[in-house]
Amino acid sequence: DTAVSQTPKYLVTQMGNDKSIKCEQNLGHDTMYWYKQDSKKFLKIMFSYNNKELIINETVPNRFSPKSPDKAHLNLHINSLELGDSAVYFCASSLAGIQETQYFGPGTRLLVL
Amino acid sequence: AQTVTQSQPEMSVQEAETVTLSCTYDTSESDYYLFWYKQPPSRQMILVIRQEAYKQQNATENRFSVNFQKAAKSFSLKISDSQLGDAAMYFCAYRSANYGGSQGNLIFGKGTKLSVKP
Repeated sequence: DTAVSQTPKYLVTQMGNDKSIKCEQNLGHDTMYWYKQDSKKFLKIMFSYNNKELIINETVPNRFSPKSPDKAHLNLHINSLELGDSAVYFCASSLAGIQETQYFGPGTRLLVL
Repeated sequence: AQTVTQSQPEMSVQEAETVTLSCTYDTSESDYYLFWYKQPPSRQMILVIRQEAYKQQNATENRFSVNFQKAAKSFSLKISDSQLGDAAMYFCAYRSANYGGSQGNLIFGKGTKLSVKP
């Protein structure tokens, strides 16, 4: 009964490729997020999304794009992968509302060679 | 912009003992939320405890409690009766209660790696 799941858990790819990471939540939440954790363990928001709006962290390159086929899914697409994209990517979800707690997926470790 | 600082990159505690992890934050807002997340080697981010800034009472969850000092902008985590399973990275996080461009986003500190010695 996984709450927030991500696939794949590990992704190794070549520079220049396009890849996607999938995220699904079965908590009935309506807001989802993507975070990036770098090699120094620093976590930073990339996107937050609900059915009303997408909020993008201004530092995120436009090679990254979230796509939500429905409320339970928020997939992360990355075009033209670069070495610096290597990191752990976390999906999270919550109910709408500032007071709501975010629940995280297990993370996807991306390695770009 | 809000920032979160964890000044202890690493901490160590003996099993069954008590340890306190420090967190300070900088904000001009009066209403916000604070969290402690735990990240064990499995990488899963697990919510440990949360605190609403408007509440004076410190939050507690079993062996975990916080010391929230709003005026000092301090939010430390105390782990009592430490267990081997408590070994993990601990992240302090801030979330604004104001709606706006950063709505809903968590701002994390750089983490404290906690080791538990048997």
